[in-house]
Amino acid sequence: TQLLEQSPQFLSIQEGENLTVYCNSSSVFSSLQWYRQEPGEGPVLLVTVVTGGEVKKLKRLTFQFGDARKDSSLHITAAQPGDTGLYLCAGAENNDMRFGAGTRLTVKP
Amino acid sequence: DTGVSQDPRHKITKRGQNVTFRCDPISEHNRLYWYRQTLGQGPEFLTYFQNEAQLEKSRLLSDRFSAERPKGSFSTLEIQRTEQGDSAMYLCASNRGRVHVLTFGAGSRLTVL
Repeated sequence: TQLLEQSPQFLSIQEGENLTVYCNSSSVFSSLQWYRQEPGEGPVLLVTVVTGGEVKKLKRLTFQFGDARKDSSLHITAAQPGDTGLYLCAGAENNDMRFGAGTRLTVKP
Repeated sequence: DTGVSQDPRHKITKRGQNVTFRCDPISEHNRLYWYRQTLGQGPEFLTYFQNEAQLEKSRLLSDRFSAERPKGSFSTLEIQRTEQGDSAMYLCASNRGRVHVLTFGAGSRLTVL
């Protein structure tokens, strides 16, 4: 059982569309990270959110941390084929990091 | 600094053989983590080290698995008597102190035939 539940599991969209993926948990995290992973590679950090209600923007990506620090969302505006990948959220529990199962995004040209 | 390095990148072995993976973390990072990732899943925590001390082990880490970090620098993950269910990507990551951000290596993909 994953401590962090991500939805949807798969998402296939056309270039230019907007999308939102979610990361939910019953646990409170001191911080939450979003990573992107491409096939055959390790995950690469996109952003860290720390404060409940925090919103961070990274170009076309907008990350939000829930007020209760249990959930987060990632919104991508005008998706591009280069956004294709596995998007993982991770929360810090004690001294180690736990990951969700990820959302596999495919952006078709 | 070249980031986190893992070796080998790919390993194909027969069931019952032993395999060893090596991870070289970022030099100033005192914490090192091992994760396992199977197709369609996120990374699953296996174990982590602070310097040379192994501080936590997941229940996923059966007695066939052993990890070491003898000098607090590189680490090895050994799997004895491999089984087909051990086929996965083994990821190493490192960080510094209480910073909850991990830098991952590219992983070592194991295929057990």
